[in-house]
Amino acid sequence: GESVGLHLPTLSVQEGDNSIINCAYSNSASDYFIWYKQESGKGPQFIIDIRSNMDKRQGQRVTVLLNKTVKHLSLQIAATQPGDSAVYFCAENLPWGNTPLVFGKGTRLSVIA
Amino acid sequence: GAVVSQHPSRVICKSGTSVKIECRSLDFQATTMFWYRQFPKQSLMLMATSNEGSKATYEQGVEKDKFLINHASLTLSTLTVTSAHPEDSSFYICSASWTGGNYGYTFGSGTRLTVV
Repeated sequence: GESVGLHLPTLSVQEGDNSIINCAYSNSASDYFIWYKQESGKGPQFIIDIRSNMDKRQGQRVTVLLNKTVKHLSLQIAATQPGDSAVYFCAENLPWGNTPLVFGKGTRLSVIA
Repeated sequence: GAVVSQHPSRVICKSGTSVKIECRSLDFQATTMFWYRQFPKQSLMLMATSNEGSKATYEQGVEKDKFLINHASLTLSTLTVTSAHPEDSSFYICSASWTGGNYGYTFGSGTRLTVV
């Protein structure tokens, strides 16, 4: 289940189940979105991205869905594995070049073996 | 490709001293680099944007005289935390934007700064 901790919400899933991590982004002008995985003490690791002209994109075991109407992004992880345990952040970017990514609050995914 | 090397990975310093963190793009030219700070159990917060050869642009609330950013070449940006205090203890992460066929971002591995 999902719970909201002091700062990061936590999602706990059984190994082998599918995970869905949600993100609300802030700027309706953003046209590029990225999901990152961050393990403790490390920098963010790219998972998958999507541009605003798409509403779905699939990778290996991961799918990103974009709903621009409600400014919502989701990351689906199929057959979740213990190695998927980490903090996941969505990030958004504005359409003009060389602007920084703006990160969402993050969700901690905890996989129960 | 598009690898960013950040070091040191960890540093402990005494209050009042300065610490320099380096961020290097290894296989591409980074005209723009971004510096983020991350406190425990929180998200990455943008501190500043640095463009090669010009002054950095700082986010509101970030003291430019305390967090000195230098981007003197297309492959190196540095962040110097001056007169460090315990409240500056945090995880600092650099990022570079690149245009390698597809516009993208790559991140360093982060620096854990502890000020004692």
